[in-house]
Amino acid sequence: KAGVTQTPRYLIKTRGQQVTLSCSPISGHRSVSWYQQTPGQGLQFLFEYFSETQRNKGNFPGRFSGRQFSNSRSEMNVSTLELGDSALYLCASSLVSSSYNEQFFGPGTRLTVL
Amino acid sequence: TQLLEQSPQFLSIQEGENLTVYCNSSSVFSSLQWYRQEPGEGPVLLVTVVTGGEVKKLKRLTFQFGDARKDSSLHITAAQPGDTGLYLCAGDNYGQNFVFGPGTRLSVLP
Repeated sequence: KAGVTQTPRYLIKTRGQQVTLSCSPISGHRSVSWYQQTPGQGLQFLFEYFSETQRNKGNFPGRFSGRQFSNSRSEMNVSTLELGDSALYLCASSLVSSSYNEQFFGPGTRLTVL
Repeated sequence: TQLLEQSPQFLSIQEGENLTVYCNSSSVFSSLQWYRQEPGEGPVLLVTVVTGGEVKKLKRLTFQFGDARKDSSLHITAAQPGDTGLYLCAGDNYGQNFVFGPGTRLSVLP
């Protein structure tokens, strides 16, 4: 079974631009979560989507948004990029229907804001 | 707010040594996961522990879940350079969300 895929793997943008990241979960997984990882803050939860609905949201500004499609693929958008948005963005999928939950991560998208 | 603490934060050891890293919380979790992450890559799931007191072994790695399901430990026997990485623990809050610890950065020197 194929793992979680994320595209693109690397991205360079300038301040003020906007960016869209994509995540394809493991087949059959309906939950997709997004995280931001930086050396200083560690892994921080952005939001979780389940069946095309945002189920949980972390403490990030409204510039960060996401959506999920009917095939469970998810996109994350960041508008008006700031230097501090430079980070590794990770997507994780999980099979919510199991007796316990496990998250499987993709390789991440390294975003650099200049 | 649920928090997971990990200790030590950094660990540098010689090949062949044993080590233990800890993951602690004041909160109860329905399960707990351990991940290893290499630079620039996503975390890779190593194990999930579910039952209080549970012990799982993965080759030279031994994982234990505390009796009260609030803490966990990871013990590595005869560490190898390939064990180098960031070890993360994550608690499942009964399907509501996952709480991640800050990680233990392990360096195994040849």
